[in-house]
Amino acid sequence: QKEVEQNSGPLSVPEGAIASLNCTYSDRGSQSFFWYRQYSGKSPELIMFIYSNGDKEDGRFTAQLNKASQYVSLLIRDSQPSDSATYLCAVKMSSYKLIFGSGTRLLVRP
Amino acid sequence: GAVVSQHPSRVICKSGTSVKIECRSLDFQATTMFWYRQFPKQSLMLMATSNEGSKATYEQGVEKDKFLINHASLTLSTLTVTSAHPEDSSFYICSARDEVYSSRNTEAFFGQGTRLTVV
Repeated sequence: QKEVEQNSGPLSVPEGAIASLNCTYSDRGSQSFFWYRQYSGKSPELIMFIYSNGDKEDGRFTAQLNKASQYVSLLIRDSQPSDSATYLCAVKMSSYKLIFGSGTRLLVRP
Repeated sequence: GAVVSQHPSRVICKSGTSVKIECRSLDFQATTMFWYRQFPKQSLMLMATSNEGSKATYEQGVEKDKFLINHASLTLSTLTVTSAHPEDSSFYICSARDEVYSSRNTEAFFGQGTRLTVV
């Protein structure tokens, strides 16, 4: 079992819709979770991080964490074509290194 | 804003030569830096943890004699790809941990990366 799992997609949503990206992790002791956006040929850009169960909102983005289910998600409201990218989920280990999922490709249709 | 800087951003080298990539923490001292690699259409994989003043810790399957890491100062770690081959062509990315202000999560912020092409 992979430590961090994501559906590779592509996830296709129309412009203005909510995009929902999901991630599961295997280490029940994990404490910190990160979402990145990566455009082709570029370095990953940190969007949000979340530590506590529940929701964390930042602009159009909401991260949701459920530690009991070992599940973290990212919602993007009012999706824009410029949101089309690969979204990476990462879990920080006790050694401070990050373990990444394989990424989900999001396509926002104009 | 950026917390680490990498140099060069892009490099092309001949097979068999060595290439050095630098990672600098910009406004803090980093005793720990992380080197990741990303092959096309794949995710980031940690290669090694660079420790200032001591040997790097390599992940399973990463050849320490091929990927030499030197963390000689609190703001600079270097990764040298020795005797590079085309299969080493990849996107190399670093991050660094701010031990003093750990709440900044600086290890989660990446530099612009170095795209290595071995021909």
